[in-house]
Amino acid sequence: AQTVTQSQPEMSVQEAETVTLSCTYDTSESNYYLFWYKQPPSRQMILVIRQEAYKQQNATENRFSVNFQKAAKSFSLKISDSQLGDTAMYFCAFMKHVMDSNYQLIWGAGTKLIIKP
Amino acid sequence: NAGVMQNPRHLVRRRGQEARLRCSPMKGHSHVYWYRQLPEEGLKFMVYLQKENIIDESGMPKERFSAEFPKEGPSILRIQQVVRGDSAAYFCASSPPPAITGNEQFFGPGTRLTVL
Repeated sequence: AQTVTQSQPEMSVQEAETVTLSCTYDTSESNYYLFWYKQPPSRQMILVIRQEAYKQQNATENRFSVNFQKAAKSFSLKISDSQLGDTAMYFCAFMKHVMDSNYQLIWGAGTKLIIKP
Repeated sequence: NAGVMQNPRHLVRRRGQEARLRCSPMKGHSHVYWYRQLPEEGLKFMVYLQKENIIDESGMPKERFSAEFPKEGPSILRIQQVVRGDSAAYFCASSPPPAITGNEQFFGPGTRLTVL
């Protein structure tokens, strides 16, 4: 069964610093999608970035980038020049293909990120 | 294009009552997923529906929980005879056919259910 592990329950950095959140997963599939979602205090789930496993190039979205190591089954999120608005829970998720059009997200337990002024 | 809508945002029920949670997917989306988030945890898959069909309900408790996505109107997650352990945030996500977007799921703001 697919699992997603986020080993850092909480992290705290100063504003403008760079922070990396770790995520590892387990799967026997060869093609899949991985996602990072942000959940601010409003609890809205916001997509930050996604990676398709068959693409070797790491995904980047402005200050957010990933380090995708397929062989190691690692998918870390790097936030550069962190801002106060980045304070949130961050969830790593693996998209599991059950069958046909049935795709389910398997979630890690989350990392609470606090950006200090 | 409005996002995924969920209502109510907050719902308080006493033990034994029924809870009805509604989800209107994004326009053009025909796939709806329900997830539950217990306090301090990640989301857990409950059920996947397409219009008028339950495709996969493997994550939903066999008793007291049901879901539907009628031809017209929102998807409904129904919890009968609620218990304190049902207190959680319930998220709905929708997606268009997979071939178009690569399966991204768009989330609603969630419904926070509190059972007294």
